[in-house]
Amino acid sequence: EVQLVETGGGLVQPGNSLKLSCATSGFTFSTAWMNWIRQTPGKRLEWLAQIEDKSNNYFISYLESVKGRFTISRDDSKSSVYLQMNNLKEEDTAIYYCTASSWFAYWGQGTLVTVSS
Amino acid sequence: DIVLTQTPPTLSATIGQSVSISCRSSQSLLHSNGITYLNWLIQRPGQPPQLLIYFLSRLESGVPNRFTGSGSGTDFTLKISGVEADDLGFYYCVQSTHIPYTFGPGTKLELK
Repeated sequence: EVQLVETGGGLVQPGNSLKLSCATSGFTFSTAWMNWIRQTPGKRLEWLAQIEDKSNNYFISYLESVKGRFTISRDDSKSSVYLQMNNLKEEDTAIYYCTASSWFAYWGQGTLVTVSS
Repeated sequence: DIVLTQTPPTLSATIGQSVSISCRSSQSLLHSNGITYLNWLIQRPGQPPQLLIYFLSRLESGVPNRFTGSGSGTDFTLKISGVEADDLGFYYCVQSTHIPYTFGPGTKLELK
């Protein structure tokens, strides 16, 4: 059974940082392209970042508006992907999902990030 | 960035009715490798999105064949042939041809 479990969300003040983790199982993580996507309170979905697999030199892509603030990384030995989020803003408030493959085959349940003073 | 527009925003249907959702892209989604990376997701209440159709028309494993994806270039359609209660929720098209990947605003399918 495929599982993706996001952790690390919570309430944080503007300007602070959070690191999200996504632990996976049930599929071949090492060859999967992994993504982070968020869903705003208005239900809009927004792609944030993708990290490709080793055969593609772990190539990384970002949404322009989060480049420089968010960093995606992966640990194939732990079948996990991460999202370091710095200088958080109130508009970053959302449910954050990790997904597997560039066609979003698998999704986690999401972790809620609330940025508020 | 690619803009995806979905119509209608809300769709009211009875059980057994066939319905269609349109997704239009601001640019062609045909990749140079010949694949159209247009995918459809369903989000049921309280659940994360779930893949229904990928690469324009390929049915994800376990998805009933009453769901059909079609289209080309910039115009795409998701058809549900005989709505069932489990089909209610939000439907999103999403393109993964061009970075940044982008999502449509969603179509809410509700019972009439």
